[in-house]
Amino acid sequence: KNQVEQSPQSLIILEGKNCTLQCNYTVSPFSNLRWYKQDTGRGPVSLTIMTFSENTKSNGRYTATLDADTKQSSLHITASQLSDSASYICVVSPNFGNEKLTFGTGTRLTIIP
Amino acid sequence: EAGVAQSPRYKIIEKRQSVAFWCNPISGHATLYWYQQILGQGPKLLIQFQNNGVVDDSQLPKDRFSAERLKGVDSTLKIQPAKLEDSAVYLCASSSTRGREPYGYTFGSGTRLTVV
Repeated sequence: KNQVEQSPQSLIILEGKNCTLQCNYTVSPFSNLRWYKQDTGRGPVSLTIMTFSENTKSNGRYTATLDADTKQSSLHITASQLSDSASYICVVSPNFGNEKLTFGTGTRLTIIP
Repeated sequence: EAGVAQSPRYKIIEKRQSVAFWCNPISGHATLYWYQQILGQGPKLLIQFQNNGVVDDSQLPKDRFSAERLKGVDSTLKIQPAKLEDSAVYLCASSSTRGREPYGYTFGSGTRLTVV
């Protein structure tokens, strides 16, 4: 069964600190992995998208890594800001065409001043 | 580029009532998805359209949920009658298979449904 597991379930850090969120998946076949940020009451917004041949991708203070061999990904947030408080969802897709995404349950990140 | 539009943003109804949600995808996006996201969980796909045809509705509770996409553009999702466990955020997303990136896979802001 295709699954995406994320850890930790929730995380609280001080503003300005760095943090790393983890994602393990068992989706097969594998085409691409995405990290989304979801603010409370809003739809998910894409942060990064990586194919199996990419092992790192950055978007500002967000850096995602991918190890397709171990089926693990991480999202590193540098110099956190209060606006980073949100849920971060790891999503895996088996193909680029008829998208059939498998969603993780997300990590709830809270940044405190 | 305009995003995926959804309405209403919020809806509160009593159980056994009916409700409808509307979605307008990004112009030119052939694929449209409806997701249900229960608090604390990831989105669950309810139905996927390719133009105006249904590609996947395996997780749609067809006894109470229905969806249509007339003319391959706008879509509506209906619940009749609603149950307490239908309380969730209903997300619409659209995507295009053209080009390299997937493919403007974009979510709307969602409709938060509360059934009381």
